[in-house]
Amino acid sequence: NAGVTQTPKFRILKIGQSMTLQCTQDMNHNYMYWYRQDPGMGLKLIYYSVGAGITDKGEVPNGYNVSRSTTEDFPLRLELAAPSQTSVYFCASSYGGSYGYTFGSGTRLTVV
Amino acid sequence: GQQLNQSPQSMFIQEGEDVSMNCTSSSIFNTWLWYKQDPGEGPVLLIALYKAGELTSNGRLTAQFGITRKDSFLNISASIPSDVGIYFCAGHSTYNTDKLIFGTGTRLQVFP
Repeated sequence: NAGVTQTPKFRILKIGQSMTLQCTQDMNHNYMYWYRQDPGMGLKLIYYSVGAGITDKGEVPNGYNVSRSTTEDFPLRLELAAPSQTSVYFCASSYGGSYGYTFGSGTRLTVV
Repeated sequence: GQQLNQSPQSMFIQEGEDVSMNCTSSSIFNTWLWYKQDPGEGPVLLIALYKAGELTSNGRLTAQFGITRKDSFLNISASIPSDVGIYFCAGHSTYNTDKLIFGTGTRLQVFP
């Protein structure tokens, strides 16, 4: 099993550009999550999904959008990138919260 | 958003020393989880605890689910250089079943 796969691993964006961070999992997990981690800081929840077609906001959703058309994929869209979105982004999936999450290896994004 | 308080924030120890860290919450959890994040990687689940008072080991790691259900503890015995990383606690409650609440993290440095 590949687990949770995130692409790309690194990306540099110019201010105002847009991009999609890809996340796919092969564990048939219903629950999927997007977090951001700023340098030296903890994890902040951006968006999450409890199943295909269902998404909900986390703590810091502004500037991001998500969709969940399949169980496997949960892409995160950045529109009009800003320097404040420079961070490491982690996707995670789970059978349910009490089972714990499986995290991807992250996408390191720099906005200049 | 709600976060768990982890202490200490960071630790600098010598190889071979034992390490203790803890996590406290103002609310009750039914599940406590401990994760480790290696530099440049996503967090990986170390130990899961499901019952108050439960004590669980994973090699040199031992974690406990506090009796009050509002805290948890992680001990690492005889630390080695590969223990370096950030350790996160996470809690799951029946009042917020969709997602985990993560701690602020403890950064561990081990010197030879």
